[in-house]
Amino acid sequence: GAGVSQTPSNKVTEKGKYVELRCDPISGHTALYWYRQSLGQGPEFLIYFQGTGAADDSGLPNDRFFAVRPEGSVSTLKIQRTERGDSAVYLCASSAFGVSNEQFFGPGTRLTVL
Amino acid sequence: GENVEQHPSTLSVQEGDSAVIKCTYSDSASNYFPWYKQELGKGPQLIIDIRSNVGEKKDQRIAVTLNKTAKHFSLHITETQPEDSAVYFCAASLSGGSNYKLTFGKGTLLTVNP
Repeated sequence: GAGVSQTPSNKVTEKGKYVELRCDPISGHTALYWYRQSLGQGPEFLIYFQGTGAADDSGLPNDRFFAVRPEGSVSTLKIQRTERGDSAVYLCASSAFGVSNEQFFGPGTRLTVL
Repeated sequence: GENVEQHPSTLSVQEGDSAVIKCTYSDSASNYFPWYKQELGKGPQLIIDIRSNVGEKKDQRIAVTLNKTAKHFSLHITETQPEDSAVYFCAASLSGGSNYKLTFGKGTLLTVNP
């Protein structure tokens, strides 16, 4: 079946601009995670959704970052006033909560802030 | 919070040899330890995982061992093939709680030379 999809695959923006990154999880997966992966590093947790609510947003670096999942499926990660340090690959993962910890990752969105 | 250390950062082996990657974790409450393989331009893909109620798990050429006392777990790949070349990440999380967020190591670049 279809895996986790993320759009766009690449996003280039200018410092100070606003960006939105989209994640379509595997159908039926109630848990959704956002991670950020800098070059040469492992993914770092940003935020976790169980259904529509953000159950843990402790990984968001500051208040310029925000994420929503209004209908419990698709999620959007929003970054305001982008900075060059926000450049990274943003990964989304989903899992079937209560069944397994196994998280299935999407291909990521590579964000470049000029 | 949890901290995961991974070694080595790079590993080069000849085709057919074995490869071993080691990780340590800091939070004794962690009880789920997955390993992911990441190829260039793709998201991480789960290759094997282990829970703290077992000490070893094997799947064909891949095995993982866990030492809870030492808070140490390892990935073993036997009979390596060129297609095993990728970046491998270990991770740890707490299963059974309300959030299965993963804490990743920094990764190991494995190169299998033909």
